Order: sequence, then C-alpha cells, then structure tokens
Amino acid sequence: DAKTTQPPSMDCAEGRAANLPCNHSTISGNEYVYWYRQIHSQGPQYIIHGLKNNETNEMASLIITEDRKSSTLILPHATLRDTAVYYCIVRVRGTGANNLFFGTGTRLTVIP
Amino acid sequence: DAGVIQSPRHEVTEMGQEVTLRCKPISGHNSLFWYRQTMMRGLELLIYFNNNVPIDDSGMPEDRFSAKMPNASFSTLKIQPSEPRDSAVYFCASSLGLAGAEQYFGPGTRLTVT
Repeated sequence: DAKTTQPPSMDCAEGRAANLPCNHSTISGNEYVYWYRQIHSQGPQYIIHGLKNNETNEMASLIITEDRKSSTLILPHATLRDTAVYYCIVRVRGTGANNLFFGTGTRLTVIP
Repeated sequence: DAGVIQSPRHEVTEMGQEVTLRCKPISGHNSLFWYRQTMMRGLELLIYFNNNVPIDDSGMPEDRFSAKMPNASFSTLKIQPSEPRDSAVYFCASSLGLAGAEQYFGPGTRLTVT
C-alpha cells in the first residue's frame, strides 16, 4: 500500500471549514484513498473513501487531485465534536490483505 | 444497529493472569479484526478473520496471544499469561464483504496489567 504524509496537527475555528491535506505521491492506479478519524478515547470511525472522483457524504467531502497524488478532506462546518485525529489511508480495495495502516494522522483541534 | 460491542470496557489484572477480551461484530458483517493501540506503536492490526476463519495473524505479538471466532457473532482475544507490556487499548472492528471495505470499530477495551 502507498505511504501517506499528513501534517501532525491543525487548528480550525468552530463553524469554519476544516481542510485536511494528505500527500500520497506513490499511489497506484487501483488504490483508493480512505479517511478515518479517532475521537479521544473512542474507536476509529470511517469517514469517506474515493478513487478518482470527488466524493461527498453526510460527514465530509473528499477532493482528490487529477493526478491522484494528493487529496483533501473537507469538514464544511467544523464543530467542537470534530476535534480528533484524522487518518488518511491508501489501499487497494477488493483484493489482498485487509489490514489498515493508520500512521500518525493529523490532530485537528476545533477552537471555539 | 448497536454497532460493534466489546467487553469488558476496562480490565485491570495482575501479571501472569489470563485475560479474555470479547467482541460481537455488526450483524451481517463477515470480517472481524483485532487491533491494539499504544502511545508508542499507534494502532496495530493483530489478527483478522473472514467468515470465522483466521486469515492473517502475523500481527499477533507472541504465543501468549490467541484469538478465536467460534461463530459469526462472537470472537475472543486471549492473553495468557499477561505481562505489563500488554497494557493497551484493544479494538475490535468488523466489515462487510470484500477486502478493503470500510471497517467499523468498537469502543475498545482498556487493559492494564500491573
């Protein structure tokens, strides 16, 4: 699975959009981009995933660059409850091992 | 749906004792995963099952650790004998269908071995 690079920490004002970047310059054509988050003392929570096209669900939007070497997770209106560690994971979907490599992620702090 | 259920939520035991952690996956999910999280090593996959069969146990640290899945709705992770370095939060997760599908995590069991 391709490696990812994320900033260790970010701050965001409550009510504003939080934009979390992820670099995955060695991504392969059949690898998807997944985002999970972990709120303190809870288990990781799946947020969204995508291959090429931008994706949106009730939690967030995922913007993947045309060359697929980077992506951005967008929380449109951050709340205090969005304070968490956000993990960007790149992996093949549908074949091979099923493990997720979480790395160190980005610690997002939403400020009142 | 109740989500993934883990018990106990907290466990404190003395070195040398046997510890059993339990997990009930989301109904209908056919893959189950056990992870361990520590400050030093982050979140690590220990073992995962597909259709109740262990597929990859390469993450199990040593023979003191064992996991079973006797049926589709129950799994255990056992540590015997336990050691202080086993202190961590243990998460169970489940997913549906093919590899790479979204995994849904339980609340975790915080294990402290004194």
